[in-house]
This record gives sequence, structure tokens and C-alpha cells, in this order.
Amino acid sequence: KAGVTQTPRYLIKTRGQQVTLSCSPISGHRSVSWYQQTPGQGLQFLFEYFSETQRNKGNFPGRFSGRQFSNSRSEMNVSTLELGDSALYLCASSSGLAESTDTQYFGPGTRLTVL
Amino acid sequence: GNSVTQMEGPVTLSEEAFLTINCTYTATGYPSLFWYVQYPGEGLQLLLKATKADDKGSNKGFEATYRKETTSFHLEKGSVQVSDSAVYFCALDLRGADGLTFGKGTHLIIQP
Repeated sequence: KAGVTQTPRYLIKTRGQQVTLSCSPISGHRSVSWYQQTPGQGLQFLFEYFSETQRNKGNFPGRFSGRQFSNSRSEMNVSTLELGDSALYLCASSSGLAESTDTQYFGPGTRLTVL
Repeated sequence: GNSVTQMEGPVTLSEEAFLTINCTYTATGYPSLFWYVQYPGEGLQLLLKATKADDKGSNKGFEATYRKETTSFHLEKGSVQVSDSAVYFCALDLRGADGLTFGKGTHLIIQP
């Protein structure tokens, strides 16, 4: 079974621009979560989508948004980029069922650099 | 709120040494617990997990036991290899609410 894929792997943008990142979950998984990883703040939860609906949201400004399509693929958008948005953005997929055994599997990440 | 505390390191050991990475947590309910590993330039790989008290997760020689009484999930390995050099993250999950909560990560360096 193919794992979680993320595109692109690397991005360089300038302040004020916007960016869209893509994530394809493991086949059969209906939940996609996004995380931001930085050296200073570590791994922080952005949001989770399940069946095309945002189900949970972390403590990030409205510049960070996402969506999920009917095939469970998800995109994350960051508008008006700031230098502090430079990070590794990780996507994780899971079945999304409310079971204790549900496990999130991560993709390789997209490295975003804002200049 | 929920939180995970682990030693940040770097932790430097010689090959074949015994490894322990401590992890303690605070949670408002009964979480599932995980260890993930991250190699340079890569995403997170699930190493092992435990979903209830006294469960032991194990994989590739690594083990961790869910201790509810001490709210801990320490990672152990009897004999480490150079290839185990990576960053290890302890995490908890309260049935998807607010996603996974991670510790800061422990950078492990194994010297030959």
C-alpha cells in the first residue's frame, strides 16, 4: 500500500505571497491532519479534515487554511506569507474513526522557505 | 491542557549501549501513546504505540510500556546501532481532539 505523499517537497517563496501544499493520504484513509514543524516551536497541530469537513483546528491565524476533496486528498494554503512561516509542513493520514487504535501516518513533508 | 515532556539531548551513546529516553505526559483523559522517529530530511515514521494502561509497544528492538500510575511511556532498546541515530518524538492522542500532542524531540547520536 502506498504511503502518504506530499507535493512539492521544497518551496521557496517571498514575503506576502501565498502558497498551496498538497497531500494524498493512504488509500482508504478519510482523515488528513496537518502539522507545522519548526526548530523553535517543535511540532504543532494546524487542522484536521475528515470527509471534506474541518473537524479540529489548532491555534494558528486565519492565514492558514485547508480543504479536503471527495477522494480524501487535502490541500493547505497559507496566504500573505511571513518569514516565520518557514517550516517543514507535515501531513498525516488515518482512518479517522474514533477508536483508540487509530494511528496517524506521516508523509515526507514540504519544506517551505520564506525569503 | 495536554502536554508531553521528554529529554531533548543530544543523547550520545556508543554502539551496543542500552538506551532509555524518558517521556512523561499530562492529559485530561486516557490517551493513546506513540513514539515516532525522524531521520534527517524525512517525515515522521511510527516506531511503536500503546493504547491503554500496561500495554507494551515494540518494534525493531525498541520497547515502551504505558504506565498510567506514573504517566510515563519511556522508550528503551537493549543494544543500539549507528543506524538508530535520529530524532525521537513521544506523542499522545486523545481520540483526535486537537491532533497529536508532541514532545520537543530527543536527538540521539550513536557512535561506532
